[in-house]
Amino acid sequence: DSGVTQTPKHLITATGQRVTLRCSPRSGDLSVYWYQQSLDQGLQFLIQYYNGEERAKGNILERFSAQQFPDLHSELNLSSLELGDSALYFCASSVQGRAGNTIYFGEGSWLTVV
Amino acid sequence: AQTVTQSQPEMSVQEAETVTLSCTYDTSESDYYLFWYKQPPSRQMILVIRQEAYKQQNATENRFSVNFQKAAKSFSLKISDSQLGDAAMYFCALVDSNYQLIWGAGTKLIIKP
Repeated sequence: DSGVTQTPKHLITATGQRVTLRCSPRSGDLSVYWYQQSLDQGLQFLIQYYNGEERAKGNILERFSAQQFPDLHSELNLSSLELGDSALYFCASSVQGRAGNTIYFGEGSWLTVV
Repeated sequence: AQTVTQSQPEMSVQEAETVTLSCTYDTSESDYYLFWYKQPPSRQMILVIRQEAYKQQNATENRFSVNFQKAAKSFSLKISDSQLGDAAMYFCALVDSNYQLIWGAGTKLIIKP
């Protein structure tokens, strides 16, 4: 158990819909990362937050947005969903987001768009 | 740009034998960190081992050890006494100065019983 909690674990929704994925980082971790992993693909970095502020942005679509709340939990919002958005979405956290701090992953949220 | 290369898409090893997974990287940073993550069929991403570039001593975690060659920019993972539960995708990763993980493409490890 990495200590990073993601909900829901599985989600099936229709095209055009909107979903919210939730992440609670490990206790004490200030930095949260979101990654997308499609079938048989590597991890695509989406976005990183540090103590409530956006720190880095990767290949995140405009239809996607995220935020980190004062209690440090984070949400990833996916809207106008398309079939290609079906993927495993990981949340990860680290202590301060400094280079070298180990990044721990949650178990992921499986999203299926039908 | 920083890169991580895993040149072996797939490796297989007999149970109880030793296998080495290769990873090379390129970075202009002098202080950086390297990781191996394991992703079994459950798709969970599990940290295997971590190496600080400023440390000459190779990291070891039970049956897992690394061969870190800083000058050659090589970071291979050795798994001793391979077990069926070691079957997974193994990803090598580098943390860059922007606190991002730069990932290799992964190596699929097959354990033969």
